[in-house]
Amino acid sequence: NAGVTQTPKFQVLKTGQSMTLQCAQDMNHEYMSWYRQDPGMGLRLIHYSVGAGITDQGEVPNGYNVSRSTTEDFPLRLLSAAPSQTSVYFCASSYTGISSYNSPLHFGNGTRLTVT
Amino acid sequence: GENVEQHPSTLSVQEGDSAVIKCTYSDSASNYFPWYKQELGKRPQLIIDIRSNVGEKKDQRIAVTLNKTAKHFSLHITETQPEDSAVYFCAAWGTALIFGKGTTLSVSS
Repeated sequence: NAGVTQTPKFQVLKTGQSMTLQCAQDMNHEYMSWYRQDPGMGLRLIHYSVGAGITDQGEVPNGYNVSRSTTEDFPLRLLSAAPSQTSVYFCASSYTGISSYNSPLHFGNGTRLTVT
Repeated sequence: GENVEQHPSTLSVQEGDSAVIKCTYSDSASNYFPWYKQELGKRPQLIIDIRSNVGEKKDQRIAVTLNKTAKHFSLHITETQPEDSAVYFCAAWGTALIFGKGTTLSVSS
């Protein structure tokens, strides 16, 4: 089991560029989510999904898109990168689903994104 | 939506002392409350969790208490050690898992 795999580990973008952060899990988890972590701000939820074909907005969704076409993958797209999106991004998954008991989140190792 | 407040933001203790971190939440429908520890440059790791039908849970030196009526929950670490130094996050799960802003715990020997 690889757990939750995020790629890339590091990325530098110029303002206005677009890119996709990849997240995959091999634990058959229904629930997947994306967080951004900034100093002093904790982990803020961007988007989440309770199963394939279902996504929902979190606390800070503006500037980001997600899709969930398979159970395993949950990519995060930055449409037009801005310096304010410089952050560390974590993908996390859980057995929790539409009809499942809430269970612990398993985190990936993170992607450090810098937008210049 | 859910809002989680966490205090204090920093906490310094001597080795062997106890440390307490407190959190409050706003959504009365939240039913799962995990605590995560994050070391510098690493991902958050679950250290203990509690569900809404339980008032207290203990795992060796770590304990968590939950007061559903008051909507607050706390992390207690006894006999702290230097390796307990890290950032600790509380979280509450209503429709999604929402985190507090974190507490930086420093344990000096």
